[in-house]
Amino acid sequence: KQEVTQIPAALSVPEGENLVLNCSFTDSAIYNLQWFRQDPGKGLTSLLLIQSSQREQTSGRLNASLDKSSGRSTLYIAASQPGDSATYLCAVSNTGNQFYFGTGTSLTVIP
Amino acid sequence: DTEVTQTPKHLVMGMTNKKSLKCEQHMGHRAMYWYKQKAKKPPELMFVYSYEKLSINESVPSRFSPECPNSSLLNLHLHALQPEDSALYLCASSQTQGRHNEQFFGPGTRLTVL
Repeated sequence: KQEVTQIPAALSVPEGENLVLNCSFTDSAIYNLQWFRQDPGKGLTSLLLIQSSQREQTSGRLNASLDKSSGRSTLYIAASQPGDSATYLCAVSNTGNQFYFGTGTSLTVIP
Repeated sequence: DTEVTQTPKHLVMGMTNKKSLKCEQHMGHRAMYWYKQKAKKPPELMFVYSYEKLSINESVPSRFSPECPNSSLLNLHLHALQPEDSALYLCASSQTQGRHNEQFFGPGTRLTVL
């Protein structure tokens, strides 16, 4: 079974700093990987989807990379803002319709 | 429109009650999902419907009964729940299965079982 780990579990940074969140998975035979953010008590908001054939995806201040062979993905957030404070989750899919979520990184951006 | 709606937002029920959660999407997606999320934990997959047919049941107890009446609607029927079933129940949908299936989530239903 796919195991997905996110490091660090929690991160606190001052506003304006660039930061990197990590996601590791044990089975490299993935279809795709998706990054989400979740605000407390809310649903998940999709940030980026990387297909297995892609190396990276960008959306605004966010950049996600994928290294399938090493079982790793990173989410880079540039010029962090207090509104970026949330829990960030990665999810990988091996079969196309079964997603395994990571443990999440709780991010706090201090004004 | 990339919206998935869920009703109700909050639900409190006793262990002998029968209730239903509802999920709706109008994005033309043909895969729909139910997840359960406990506090400070990641979502756990419960059920997957593909083209209105149940394709995955992650060994969920029978007190949870999913239903997909049409391609836009997904229900979760609840009966004889236990206090440990209290959680945030999330619905999601995606266009297809495979490499292009970006999942979109609803806001969730906060369920409390007394």
